[in-house]
Amino acid sequence: NAGVTQTPKFQVLKTGQSMTLQCAQDMNHEYMSWYRQDPGMGLRLIHYSVGAGITDQGEVPNGYNVSRSTTEDFPLRLLSAAPSQTSVYFCASKTGQQQYFGPGTRLTVT
Amino acid sequence: GENVEQHPSTLSVQEGDSAVIKCTYSDSASNYFPWYKQELGKRPQLIIDIRSNVGEKKDQRIAVTLNKTAKHFSLHITETQPEDSAVYFCAASKGGGGSEKLVFGKGTKLTVNP
Repeated sequence: NAGVTQTPKFQVLKTGQSMTLQCAQDMNHEYMSWYRQDPGMGLRLIHYSVGAGITDQGEVPNGYNVSRSTTEDFPLRLLSAAPSQTSVYFCASKTGQQQYFGPGTRLTVT
Repeated sequence: GENVEQHPSTLSVQEGDSAVIKCTYSDSASNYFPWYKQELGKRPQLIIDIRSNVGEKKDQRIAVTLNKTAKHFSLHITETQPEDSAVYFCAASKGGGGSEKLVFGKGTKLTVNP
C-alpha cells in the first residue's frame, strides 16, 4: 500500500491564482481530512469527509473547497490564493479512530 | 465542541532524562487519545494511543497515562535520546465509528541535548 499520497510537494502561487492540492489513499478509508499547519498554531482542520459524496467544514474552511467523488480521492481547491494561505497542508485518512497523514504540500503564496 | 490544550509548548531535556508532556480535554465524551511525533519537515506519525477503558499504556520507552476524572492525559518518554527531538501533538476524539474528528493540541517542541 502507498498509504496517503499528496501532490505536489511544493508549490508557489501568485495572489489570485487558483490550484488544486491532490490527495489519494489506497487503504479504502471512509474518513479523509485536510489540515493546515502554521508555526505555533498546530494542526487546524480545514474540511473533512466521512465518505464519497459527503463533505463538511472544519475549523478554518474559508477560501477552500473540497469534493469527494470517490473513496480514494479528496482534492482541496484554492479558488483565489491569498498570502494568508501560505502554509503546509496535510491530508489524512483514518479507519476507525487511527488517523494517518500524507507527506504534506508546502504552499507559498506571493 | 472539543478543546485540547497542551503543555508545555517547548521542552528541553538532557539525554537520558525523562520528558513529560501533558494535555487536557474538555469533552467528557471523548474516548480516544493519540499522540503524534513530527520530525522536522516530515508528516506527523502516530506513536501511541490510548482508549478511555484503560488508564495506562506502554511501548518500550514511551507511555501514556489517562485520568478520565480530571480529563487529562500525558505522554512520558524515558531515557530520552537525541532522535526523540521532534514536535509532539496530542489529540482527542469520541465515538468509535470512524466518522468523528480528531482535535489536536498545539504541539510541544522537545529538544534532547546530547
